[in-house]
Amino acid sequence: QKEVEQDPGPLSVPEGAIVSLNCTYSNSAFQYFMWYRQYSRKGPELLMYTYSSGNKEDGRFTAQVDKSSKYISLFIRDSQPSDSATYLCAMSARRGSTLGRLYFGRGTQLTVWP
Amino acid sequence: NAGVTQTPKFQVLKTGQSMTLQCAQDMNHEYMSWYRQDPGMGLRLIHYSVGAGITDQGEVPNGYNVSRSTTEDFPLRLLSAAPSQTSVYFCASSYSTNRADTQYFGPGTRLTVL
Repeated sequence: QKEVEQDPGPLSVPEGAIVSLNCTYSNSAFQYFMWYRQYSRKGPELLMYTYSSGNKEDGRFTAQVDKSSKYISLFIRDSQPSDSATYLCAMSARRGSTLGRLYFGRGTQLTVWP
Repeated sequence: NAGVTQTPKFQVLKTGQSMTLQCAQDMNHEYMSWYRQDPGMGLRLIHYSVGAGITDQGEVPNGYNVSRSTTEDFPLRLLSAAPSQTSVYFCASSYSTNRADTQYFGPGTRLTVL
Protein backbone atom coordinates (compact mmCIF):
# COMPACT_ATOMS: atom_id res chain seq x y z
CA GLN A 1 0.00 0.00 0.00
CA LYS A 2 1.33 3.41 -0.98
CA GLU A 3 1.69 5.86 1.86
CA VAL A 4 -0.40 8.45 -0.01
CA GLU A 5 -3.37 7.55 -2.19
CA GLN A 6 -4.94 9.93 -4.66
CA ASP A 7 -7.50 9.24 -7.36
CA PRO A 8 -5.86 10.22 -10.66
CA GLY A 9 -9.17 11.14 -12.32
CA PRO A 10 -9.48 12.63 -14.83
CA LEU A 11 -12.04 15.05 -13.45
CA SER A 12 -13.95 17.31 -15.83
CA VAL A 13 -16.27 20.08 -14.59
CA PRO A 14 -18.00 23.14 -16.06
CA GLU A 15 -16.77 26.62 -15.27
CA GLY A 16 -18.16 27.87 -11.96
CA ALA A 17 -18.44 24.43 -10.38
CA ILE A 18 -17.10 23.57 -6.94
CA VAL A 19 -14.27 21.06 -7.23
CA SER A 20 -13.31 18.62 -4.49
CA LEU A 21 -9.94 16.85 -4.62
CA ASN A 22 -8.94 14.31 -2.02
CA CYS A 23 -6.08 12.22 -0.69
CA THR A 24 -5.85 9.55 1.97
CA TYR A 25 -2.75 8.46 3.78
CA SER A 26 -1.59 5.69 6.07
CA ASN A 27 1.28 7.22 8.07
CA SER A 28 -0.10 8.78 11.24
CA ALA A 29 3.18 10.68 11.69
CA PHE A 30 2.37 13.03 8.80
CA GLN A 31 1.82 16.52 10.13
CA TYR A 32 2.44 18.84 7.19
CA PHE A 33 0.12 18.74 4.21
CA MET A 34 0.52 20.46 0.90
CA TRP A 35 -1.21 20.81 -2.41
CA TYR A 36 0.84 21.43 -5.53
CA ARG A 37 -0.55 22.51 -8.90
CA GLN A 38 1.16 21.34 -12.06
CA TYR A 39 0.29 22.75 -15.46
CA SER A 40 0.99 20.64 -18.51
CA ARG A 41 4.72 20.30 -19.22
CA LYS A 42 5.64 22.48 -16.24
CA GLY A 43 7.08 21.83 -12.80
CA PRO A 44 4.80 21.62 -9.75
CA GLU A 45 4.16 24.83 -7.80
CA LEU A 46 3.05 25.04 -4.18
CA LEU A 47 -0.60 26.03 -3.91
CA MET A 48 -1.60 25.44 -0.30
CA TYR A 49 0.17 24.40 2.88
CA THR A 50 -1.41 23.36 6.17
CA TYR A 51 -0.17 22.03 9.46
CA SER A 52 -2.04 19.34 11.42
CA SER A 53 -5.84 19.28 11.33
CA GLY A 54 -8.18 22.07 10.33
CA ASN A 55 -9.01 24.34 7.42
CA LYS A 56 -7.07 26.94 5.53
CA GLU A 57 -8.56 29.31 2.99
CA ASP A 58 -6.82 31.30 0.29
CA GLY A 59 -9.11 33.03 -2.16
CA ARG A 60 -11.10 30.42 -4.04
CA PHE A 61 -9.07 27.57 -2.53
CA THR A 62 -9.73 25.81 0.78
CA ALA A 63 -7.57 23.03 2.17
CA GLN A 64 -8.95 20.70 4.84
CA VAL A 65 -7.12 18.17 6.95
CA ASP A 66 -8.81 15.47 9.03
CA LYS A 67 -6.03 13.61 10.81
CA SER A 68 -8.42 11.31 12.63
CA SER A 69 -9.58 9.95 9.28
CA LYS A 70 -6.18 10.39 7.57
CA TYR A 71 -7.92 12.37 4.85
CA ILE A 72 -7.14 15.69 3.21
CA SER A 73 -9.13 17.73 0.72
CA LEU A 74 -8.73 20.69 -1.57
CA PHE A 75 -11.83 22.63 -2.58
CA ILE A 76 -11.90 25.04 -5.49
CA ARG A 77 -14.86 27.42 -5.59
CA ASP A 78 -16.05 29.13 -8.77
CA SER A 79 -13.65 27.05 -10.83
CA GLN A 80 -12.11 28.66 -13.90
CA PRO A 81 -10.61 27.20 -17.09
CA SER A 82 -7.25 28.48 -15.81
CA ASP A 83 -7.58 25.98 -12.93
CA SER A 84 -7.17 23.14 -15.43
CA ALA A 85 -4.06 21.32 -14.23
CA THR A 86 -2.90 18.30 -12.29
CA TYR A 87 -3.18 18.68 -8.53
CA LEU A 88 -0.78 16.72 -6.36
CA CYS A 89 -1.12 16.27 -2.65
CA ALA A 90 2.06 15.93 -0.61
CA MET A 91 2.85 15.44 3.03
CA SER A 92 5.75 15.11 5.41
CA ALA A 93 6.24 13.77 8.90
CA ARG A 94 8.21 16.51 10.58
CA ARG A 95 10.21 19.47 9.46
CA GLY A 96 13.87 18.52 9.40
CA SER A 97 13.58 15.01 10.76
CA THR A 98 13.26 13.29 7.41
CA LEU A 99 15.51 15.85 5.77
CA GLY A 100 12.69 17.32 3.79
CA ARG A 101 11.21 14.10 2.49
CA LEU A 102 7.88 14.73 0.85
CA TYR A 103 5.50 11.92 0.01
CA PHE A 104 3.39 12.68 -3.05
CA GLY A 105 0.09 11.37 -4.29
CA ARG A 106 -0.19 10.38 -7.94
CA GLY A 107 -1.99 13.61 -8.84
CA THR A 108 -5.53 14.30 -10.06
CA GLN A 109 -5.95 15.72 -13.54
CA LEU A 110 -8.63 18.45 -13.58
CA THR A 111 -10.22 20.07 -16.63
CA VAL A 112 -12.57 23.03 -16.24
CA TRP A 113 -14.46 23.68 -19.47
CA PRO A 114 -16.03 27.04 -20.36
CA ASN B 1 16.13 35.54 -9.99
CA ALA B 2 15.95 32.71 -12.49
CA GLY B 3 14.80 30.31 -9.74
CA VAL B 4 15.50 26.66 -10.48
CA THR B 5 16.83 25.96 -13.97
CA GLN B 6 17.29 22.60 -15.64
CA THR B 7 19.10 21.60 -18.82
CA PRO B 8 18.49 20.06 -21.22
CA LYS B 9 14.71 20.28 -21.66
CA PHE B 10 14.63 17.13 -23.78
CA GLN B 11 17.08 14.28 -24.29
CA VAL B 12 17.07 10.98 -26.15
CA LEU B 13 19.64 8.35 -25.19
CA LYS B 14 20.45 4.85 -26.29
CA THR B 15 20.61 2.05 -23.77
CA GLY B 16 23.98 2.03 -22.05
CA GLN B 17 24.84 5.66 -22.68
CA SER B 18 25.63 7.96 -19.79
CA MET B 19 24.68 11.57 -19.34
CA THR B 20 24.31 14.33 -16.77
CA LEU B 21 21.15 16.32 -16.13
CA GLN B 22 22.00 19.79 -14.92
CA CYS B 23 20.21 21.68 -12.17
CA ALA B 24 21.04 25.11 -10.79
CA GLN B 25 19.36 27.54 -8.42
CA ASP B 26 20.20 31.16 -7.66
CA MET B 27 18.23 31.52 -4.42
CA ASN B 28 21.02 30.36 -2.08
CA HIS B 29 18.89 27.38 -1.05
CA GLU B 30 20.47 24.74 1.17
CA TYR B 31 18.22 21.86 0.20
CA MET B 32 18.08 20.41 -3.32
CA SER B 33 16.50 17.25 -4.62
CA TRP B 34 15.81 15.24 -7.75
CA TYR B 35 12.49 13.56 -8.54
CA ARG B 36 11.25 11.49 -11.40
CA GLN B 37 7.65 11.61 -12.53
CA ASP B 38 6.09 8.72 -14.37
CA PRO B 39 2.47 8.37 -15.55
CA GLY B 40 0.29 7.20 -12.67
CA MET B 41 3.23 7.14 -10.24
CA GLY B 42 3.42 10.68 -8.92
CA LEU B 43 6.76 12.17 -7.94
CA ARG B 44 9.40 9.84 -6.56
CA LEU B 45 12.50 11.09 -4.79
CA ILE B 46 15.81 9.94 -6.34
CA HIS B 47 18.51 11.77 -4.36
CA TYR B 48 18.69 14.85 -2.22
CA SER B 49 21.25 17.16 -0.65
CA VAL B 50 21.07 19.24 2.50
CA GLY B 51 24.09 21.34 1.61
CA ALA B 52 27.32 21.46 -0.37
CA GLY B 53 29.23 18.21 0.02
CA ILE B 54 26.29 16.31 1.56
CA THR B 55 24.02 13.99 -0.43
CA ASP B 56 21.78 11.06 0.39
CA GLN B 57 19.55 8.55 -1.32
CA GLY B 58 15.85 8.86 -1.75
CA GLU B 59 13.21 6.33 -2.73
CA VAL B 60 14.57 5.24 -6.14
CA PRO B 61 18.35 5.90 -6.25
CA ASN B 62 19.55 2.92 -8.28
CA GLY B 63 21.21 3.85 -11.56
CA TYR B 64 21.76 7.49 -10.57
CA ASN B 65 24.60 9.42 -8.97
CA VAL B 66 24.70 12.93 -7.60
CA SER B 67 27.23 15.33 -6.17
CA ARG B 68 26.97 18.79 -4.64
CA SER B 69 30.22 20.69 -4.92
CA THR B 70 28.56 24.12 -4.72
CA THR B 71 25.37 25.47 -3.16
CA GLU B 72 24.03 26.42 -6.59
CA ASP B 73 24.46 23.21 -8.59
CA PHE B 74 23.13 19.69 -8.15
CA PRO B 75 23.74 17.53 -11.25
CA LEU B 76 22.16 14.10 -11.69
CA ARG B 77 24.22 11.49 -13.53
CA LEU B 78 22.83 8.46 -15.29
CA LEU B 79 25.62 5.93 -15.31
CA SER B 80 24.33 3.49 -17.93
CA ALA B 81 20.91 4.48 -19.24
CA ALA B 82 18.12 1.90 -19.33
CA PRO B 83 14.63 2.12 -20.89
CA SER B 84 13.19 2.03 -17.36
CA GLN B 85 14.76 5.44 -16.81
CA THR B 86 12.54 7.03 -19.44
CA SER B 87 10.77 9.68 -17.41
CA VAL B 88 10.40 13.36 -16.65
CA TYR B 89 12.99 14.54 -14.15
CA PHE B 90 12.42 17.47 -11.83
CA CYS B 91 14.93 19.25 -9.69
CA ALA B 92 13.66 21.14 -6.64
CA SER B 93 15.15 23.34 -3.96
CA SER B 94 14.12 24.93 -0.70
CA TYR B 95 15.68 27.37 1.72
CA SER B 96 16.62 24.82 4.35
CA THR B 97 15.74 21.38 5.59
CA ASN B 98 13.47 23.07 8.09
CA ARG B 99 11.49 24.49 5.20
CA ALA B 100 11.81 21.63 2.78
CA ASP B 101 8.06 21.56 2.36
CA THR B 102 8.06 24.82 0.40
CA GLN B 103 10.04 23.39 -2.47
CA TYR B 104 10.52 25.24 -5.74
CA PHE B 105 10.57 23.02 -8.79
CA GLY B 106 12.39 23.45 -12.07
CA PRO B 107 10.66 23.05 -15.45
CA GLY B 108 11.80 19.46 -15.90
CA THR B 109 13.87 17.38 -18.32
CA ARG B 110 12.06 14.87 -20.51
CA LEU B 111 14.31 11.86 -21.03
CA THR B 112 13.70 9.00 -23.42
CA VAL B 113 15.95 5.95 -23.39
CA LEU B 114 15.71 3.74 -26.45
